[in-house]
Amino acid sequence: QVQLVESGGGLVKPGGSLRLSCAASGFAFRDYYMSWIRQAPGKGLEWISYISGSGSTIYYADSAEGRFTISRDNAKNSLYLQVNSLRAEDTALYYCARQLSMATGYYFDYWGQGTLVTVSS
Amino acid sequence: DIQMTQSPSTLSASVGDRVTITCRASQSISTWLAWYQQKAGKAPKLLIYKASTLQSGVPSRFSGSGSGTEFTLTISSLQPDDFATYYCQEYNTYGRLTFGGGTKVEIK
Repeated sequence: QVQLVESGGGLVKPGGSLRLSCAASGFAFRDYYMSWIRQAPGKGLEWISYISGSGSTIYYADSAEGRFTISRDNAKNSLYLQVNSLRAEDTALYYCARQLSMATGYYFDYWGQGTLVTVSS
Repeated sequence: DIQMTQSPSTLSASVGDRVTITCRASQSISTWLAWYQQKAGKAPKLLIYKASTLQSGVPSRFSGSGSGTEFTLTISSLQPDDFATYYCQEYNTYGRLTFGGGTKVEIK
């Protein structure tokens, strides 16, 4: 069965950095786009970034551009998000999600349980 | 960028009620729309994609309709398990993916 398990969250001071990871299993990881999506406490969902199966296509939301870097290691079935220059407003639960392709449409059919990032001094 | 507006933001209903949630796009997105259900403390779950296609395993009381800029999610007979928050998501824009603000379905 498809499983996505995020890790790497924690408490960090403003201006700090973290590297979030998502371990995937139960499917051909290299064949799928993957996304990071976040949810601030008590708020809605915000798409952050996606990456194609090969890693050749990457897009970011405006809120992430220049501070966040998405990457993947298909040999390790893992997705990553490097988050730098963190601000209080980046406090959120960060989900990784499996994304369908351009042919079928960029929606999300499986989600992890999320890893919590808290930015506070 | 496309804006996705859901209404209402909160909906109070009883078990057995027919419930309709609306999602409006600021410009046409054809039928490139998905709906998700999120229960408290849980990850979102895909319900519907391409505006009206039911994801495998989702009960048939859920249905989606619409195209262009106006879409609806309908629950034909609300069940206790359906009290949750629902989000729409557009995927018309290459390189941008946008969620609606969410609709919380509460017990009346």
